[in-house]
Amino acid sequence: DAGVTQSPTHLIKTRGQQVTLRCSPISGHKSVSWYQQVLGQGPQFIFQYYEKEERGRGNFPDRFSARQFPNYSSELNVNALLLGDSALYLCASSLSGLVGSYNEQFFGPGTRLTVL
Amino acid sequence: DQQVKQNSPSLSVQEGRISILNCDYTNSMFDYFLWYKKYPAEGPTFLISISSIKDKNEDGRFTVFLNKSAKHLSLHIVPSQPGDSAVYFCAASDGAQKLVFGQGTRLTINP
Repeated sequence: DAGVTQSPTHLIKTRGQQVTLRCSPISGHKSVSWYQQVLGQGPQFIFQYYEKEERGRGNFPDRFSARQFPNYSSELNVNALLLGDSALYLCASSLSGLVGSYNEQFFGPGTRLTVL
Repeated sequence: DQQVKQNSPSLSVQEGRISILNCDYTNSMFDYFLWYKKYPAEGPTFLISISSIKDKNEDGRFTVFLNKSAKHLSLHIVPSQPGDSAVYFCAASDGAQKLVFGQGTRLTINP
């Protein structure tokens, strides 16, 4: 059984550009969450989608947006990139929208975004 | 506002000994806690979890202890093995949609 997959693996962009990151959840999982991990820190919650609806949003500016498709895959978009957006972007999938026993979040390998 | 804190950035332990990783939290609404392990160039891997109704959960060499009154949890690894060398993240949830992570502790197991 395939785990969570993310593409691309690495990405280099310049300030002001826009980027789209993609995630495919584990088969049968209906929830996808996005996290940003800056070097030396733990992952920070950006969004959660469940059944194609946004169920949670972290403290990130409106330049960050996401969506979930009917097959439960998801895209994270970041507009007007800043140097500070350089980070590892992690996608996690889970069965349902609430974190708890038997509903752990499983993470993909991440997309490393570098903004120059 | 760091709601989950791992105050030790790094820990070095001899192979075969016990590794103890610590985590403190401030939000009393957290009711579910998890430990993740992360190797370079990989995403975090779920290790073990504990609900706030318990004070201990074991899975093989891994045991998590929860002290609700002190808002403290710890992960014990016994015996420590070279493959345990990784960054360990503590995470917490209040039953909603997100996980709140600590900063991580880099564990190095020495032969």
